[in-house]
Amino acid sequence: AQSVTQLGSHVSVSEGALVLLRCNYSSSVPPYLFWYVQYPNQGLQLLLKYTSAATLVKGINGFEAEFKKSETSFHLTKPSAHMSDAAEYFCAVSRNSGNTPLVFGKGTRLSVIA
Amino acid sequence: ETGVTQTPRHLVMGMTNKKSLKCEQHLGHNAMYWYKQSAKKPLELMFVYNFKEQTENNSVPSRFSPECPNSSHLFLHLHTLQPEDSALYLCASSQDRTSGRDTQYFGPGTRLTVL
Repeated sequence: AQSVTQLGSHVSVSEGALVLLRCNYSSSVPPYLFWYVQYPNQGLQLLLKYTSAATLVKGINGFEAEFKKSETSFHLTKPSAHMSDAAEYFCAVSRNSGNTPLVFGKGTRLSVIA
Repeated sequence: ETGVTQTPRHLVMGMTNKKSLKCEQHLGHNAMYWYKQSAKKPLELMFVYNFKEQTENNSVPSRFSPECPNSSHLFLHLHTLQPEDSALYLCASSQDRTSGRDTQYFGPGTRLTVL
């Protein structure tokens, strides 16, 4: 079975500081990994995904994530936080094996301080 | 309208009421999903439809009844709900349920409050 662990339910950074949101996964086969963002009163929006091509994945809004198989991690980073980045971030894992559900982590709420 | 739309955005109902949530996707996808998002819990997958056929029901109580008349529309019929069913209900769609790499596109959700 697959699972995702997001370390830290709440992360707070200063505007302009590095954003680092942690995600570790568990999967018995090579996974597909996703980061979604949820702004207040909205649904989830895809930031980026890893589907076994390049291990460093670039997404929207300046975010990127690196797939590290040895560490079973897929951490999300952004060099410089902006106030508009304040939202809930979800890591999710899937695999290419028919009807596999997308398993989500519990989410990390990012606050950006001016 | 583009993307995935959901109506109503907010719903308050009593435990004896019957109501329905509606989801519509304008992306030409073949798979549609219902998720429940409760505070401090991971998103819970409730139902999956692929090419209008229900492929998954994750032990959801019978007071929730899904309906998928075509690949573009998905409903969630509610009756005799409990206060613990209060949550944000999210609809999503993707090109094909069987491809794990497909992106799921989410609607804005319906905030349900059961009194």
